[in-house]
Amino acid sequence: GAGVSQTPSNKVTEKGKYVELRCDPISGHTALYWYRQSLGQGPEFLIYFQGTGAADDSGLPNDRFFAVRPEGSVSTLKIQRTERGDSAVYLCASSSEPGRSWGTEAFFGQGTRLTVV
Amino acid sequence: AQSVTQLGSHVSVSEGALVLLRCNYSSSVPPYLFWYVQYPNQGLQLLLKYTTGATLVKGINGFEAEFKKSETSFHLTKPSAHMSDAAEYFCAVNAGGTSYGKLTFGQGTILTVHP
Repeated sequence: GAGVSQTPSNKVTEKGKYVELRCDPISGHTALYWYRQSLGQGPEFLIYFQGTGAADDSGLPNDRFFAVRPEGSVSTLKIQRTERGDSAVYLCASSSEPGRSWGTEAFFGQGTRLTVV
Repeated sequence: AQSVTQLGSHVSVSEGALVLLRCNYSSSVPPYLFWYVQYPNQGLQLLLKYTTGATLVKGINGFEAEFKKSETSFHLTKPSAHMSDAAEYFCAVNAGGTSYGKLTFGQGTILTVHP
């Protein structure tokens, strides 16, 4: 597709349930990022993939959060035993990072709004 | 570690007036700096970025920003506001090391433009 696609756009789930959020990056982009944006805040980094591997997962808040990118393209963010505090907009971004060039532009999707009730 | 502070969560200007959105950063290494804009129900869009070279950076929609190392600032300006500039603006820093894909964002500034 032309841009980063995230599905679903909205997700309402009950406390304690498991959810999966999907990100389809721009074709050919090797780097993929997940961010979380709480109401009134800027996006907070969660995890970064280079290819299939997680290069930096230091932003994942706890072991209920997990992300995969098995084929180096689509990524899934998985949240177990959801809590009301997990309610936020989850953003995905991708970029082309040949070599290790700094400051390469990250293209963002429109996000998935997760509401835990 | 790095951080970004955006002074003023809300800025209101009249159409045609100067827009000034303030951003200060903290970084232990030379930073790469970004401004993103977020329109309602849309994703973040890059306005401009500073990596190396010229410290005055021009972006889309008439915006520009100047990197001032001595002041650790990267303020965003536009000479004449337009109604379509109303949005939320985020300053971000990428400070290198092993996590070169990682951006640290400020809390955002909501820009309101009055007719």
